[in-house]
Formats: sequence, structure tokens, C-alpha cells
Amino acid sequence: GESVGLHLPTLSVQEGDNSIINCAYSNSASDYFIWYKQESGKGPQFIIDIRSNMDKRQGQRVTVLLNKTVKHLSLQIAATQPGDSAVYFCAENSGTASKLTFGTGTRLQVTL
Amino acid sequence: EADIYQTPRYLVIGTGKKITLECSQTMGHDKMYWYQQDPGMELHLIHYSYGVNSTEKGDLSSESTVSRIRTEHFPLTLESARPSHTSQYLCASSMGQMNTEAFFGQGTRLTVV
Repeated sequence: GESVGLHLPTLSVQEGDNSIINCAYSNSASDYFIWYKQESGKGPQFIIDIRSNMDKRQGQRVTVLLNKTVKHLSLQIAATQPGDSAVYFCAENSGTASKLTFGTGTRLQVTL
Repeated sequence: EADIYQTPRYLVIGTGKKITLECSQTMGHDKMYWYQQDPGMELHLIHYSYGVNSTEKGDLSSESTVSRIRTEHFPLTLESARPSHTSQYLCASSMGQMNTEAFFGQGTRLTVV
């Protein structure tokens, strides 16, 4: 079936550096994408979303890039901080009648 | 902070017991979801609902059942708990009319001994 997957299970980044977390999706009908952050013992929290009619969206210290040609999504975190340490999931759905599908997740470790 | 609540946060229960995990949201969302997540792993959708009296099975087969009698309430029930049911269960909700993000509860960590 259709799936959403992440390239790297763990990413270590030094404090202050930029982080890039990647996500590949296989459903070409997907039209809405979300990045979630999940800290230990908590439910996922919304970070940023992007619709398929856009290729870039910026938030506070975060940027999501969408490349529909290669079905690739990335999350960029600027000036990574220790509080950014968490597992990051991308999720997608295709249409209002569909359900959110999550990828495997990438654990971001911020080193001092 | 999202207005979606799960109880209990932690539950340790013996094999064979019947349990109900509660999930309530006060945002008036039509869509609600249950995900199962093992430590360090991805989220697997086990049930979802598009509104009152609507329930569907998710991508991952589950022995649990759900009901949606009221918009704000989406409980999950295990008739006879087994050690294989040990996991974290996450409830989420989202608006029904358009694609928007899902808001998650804090989760229920279930241990069946």
C-alpha cells in the first residue's frame, strides 16, 4: 500500500547548527503534509504544515520544503537548540476524506 | 495547548481484564483517531471516525473496538487484555471539512501483565 517513510532514524546535530530532516512519500495523490515533534512521554505536537500547491513554507526557525516531482519533504530547523531534541514525524493525507498516515520518525539529538 | 484529553495516562492491568481508554475533545472536531505506538516506533492508525455513529478500522489490525456516540467522546475498549496489547495509545482529532492538522492527546501507556 501507500506509505510515508523517513530516510534517517537518528540525526545528531551540534547546538547552533542547522538541522535537516527528510521524508519520502509514495502517494502521488497526497495534497497535505504535516511535520510533528514528539518529546518523550508526550503526544505529537504540530510544527508546520504545507499544502501541495506550495513548495516552501516558513515558520519560526523552521522551514518545510516540498518537492512533488520526487515526492520528498524536508524540515529545516535553524540554530538547533537542546529543546529541539525529540522524534520528528512527517504525515500526509490525500483529501478531506482520508486519514493521516505517519512515517517512521527521525530522532534528533542535539549535542552541546 | 490542544483541548484533547486522554485518561488514564498510565495503566497496568492483568491479562484477561476488560479496559476502556477514554478520549475527549472540546474543539467540536468531527474526525477522531486512535493510534498505537511502541517506544521509538512509528504511529499506527488502528481506528478512526468521521463523526457520530461513524467508525472505521485503521491500517493496523487491532482487537480493540471503538464507539462514537457523541462528537466529543471516542473511547477505545479491549474486551480481554493480553500482554501483546502493551503499548502507548494516542488519540487525536481534527476538523472534518478541510485538511488541517490533527491535535493529539498525551497518550495512555498500557501495560498488560
